[in-house]
Amino acid sequence: AQKITQTQPGMFVQEKEAVTLDCTYDTSDQSYGLFWYKQPSSGEMIFLIYQGSYDEQNATEGRYSLNFQKARKSANLVISASQLGDSAMYFCAMREDMNYGGSQGNLIFGKGTKLSVKP
Amino acid sequence: DSGVTQTPKHLITATGQRVTLRCSPRSGDLSVYWYQQSLDQGLQFLIQYYNGEERAKGNILERFSAQQFPDLHSELNLSSLELGDSALYFCASSVHLVADTQYFGPGTRLTVL
Repeated sequence: AQKITQTQPGMFVQEKEAVTLDCTYDTSDQSYGLFWYKQPSSGEMIFLIYQGSYDEQNATEGRYSLNFQKARKSANLVISASQLGDSAMYFCAMREDMNYGGSQGNLIFGKGTKLSVKP
Repeated sequence: DSGVTQTPKHLITATGQRVTLRCSPRSGDLSVYWYQQSLDQGLQFLIQYYNGEERAKGNILERFSAQQFPDLHSELNLSSLELGDSALYFCASSVHLVADTQYFGPGTRLTVL
């Protein structure tokens, strides 16, 4: 079974509107972290936002917020007031902290969502 | 700019050859991770080093190896290259061993002809 599922291969949003990118995860660890990264067409991976499994408040970073629903194992990224520069691939990732199976903090990535912002 | 540097940016080589990718982590970061991004496999974890020691292995082929030097920079060695090794190779770094945000370098795009 996939550990990180991003069900939207591609999405369109109008400039200045908000958009939600979906991410569900699967883990039996109690302690884990959830991340979103942005990959523009130039290829680099840009860290956007982090949510720890024990954090009670949803994380926010500027126009980015993470809608964390632990019981549903979802960690959706919300981008408010979309800009043309937001057009990119967005990856959801998870880090399992309990060292099961030899994990030492590496990230497990979803397949990504390609976001296109229309002017 | 994440503060993680990778060289070279692009690398074109032939099947059967060997290449070395280099990574310098952010100042103060002790942990270095290598990831491979390919069209068919997506982003996959290869290997992690922490303060010079190997700490975790992912889906890394036996033809691939890595090391982290005393100055904390890391090198990923890929040998007996095959067409399927063509990919974007990322290095990421973090301060601690676990429970930390990883910052990625710009990547090295490897093309095997």
